[in-house]
Amino acid sequence: SAVISQKPSRDICQRGTSLTIQCQVDSQVTMMFWYRQQPGQSLTLIATANQGSEATYESGFVIDKFPISRPNLTFSTLTVSNMSPEDSSIYLCSVQQGRGDTGELFFGEGSRLTVL
Amino acid sequence: GQNIDQPTEMTATEGAIVQINCTYQTSGFNGLFWYQQHAGEAPTFLSYNVLDGLEEKGRFSSFLSRSKGYSYLLLKELQMKDSASYLCAVTDSNYQLIWGAGTKLIIKP
Repeated sequence: SAVISQKPSRDICQRGTSLTIQCQVDSQVTMMFWYRQQPGQSLTLIATANQGSEATYESGFVIDKFPISRPNLTFSTLTVSNMSPEDSSIYLCSVQQGRGDTGELFFGEGSRLTVL
Repeated sequence: GQNIDQPTEMTATEGAIVQINCTYQTSGFNGLFWYQQHAGEAPTFLSYNVLDGLEEKGRFSSFLSRSKGYSYLLLKELQMKDSASYLCAVTDSNYQLIWGAGTKLIIKP
């Protein structure tokens, strides 16, 4: 199973600022996924990050707001730009292993952001 | 549209058995997952079903009926540490993972 490290684990941010979340995996993976989980709700996929290409964003999420980097097969970053209180959420990095396209997901510990 | 339904919250007693249901309507089906998520932690994988029937793994079992668009997670011999949210997720025909809102399970002594 993959081991995923995320940082920061939590942060309190001011409105209008930006924060970059880092995700490090202990093995090489093709795709990395960035999720958001708002309080009391389930997971919402923000984007899929592939090494060497632009990230693929889900409906409702745009690159200007959530720029993603994927410089190599073990690392990715997600930036939450120009934050507002509505961006207060847990942001989770995940990778998929096993069973091809239907493999189980392994998650990082999450980054809990509070925007004041 | 695509939809996953599961109860918002359930309460059970330590030592008992609880069944958490999940119904889904998706464009195609390529498997159903159950994840456990303790408060303040990331989800962890519990089970995967792609064929009809029951998959047993220790105290946890997961059942799938594709014709009914239905699954359940069965937890036996409940322990206090089983208090968590249980997330049902379905992979559709495009291999997109559709998540349910989760069922918060409260275990009482």
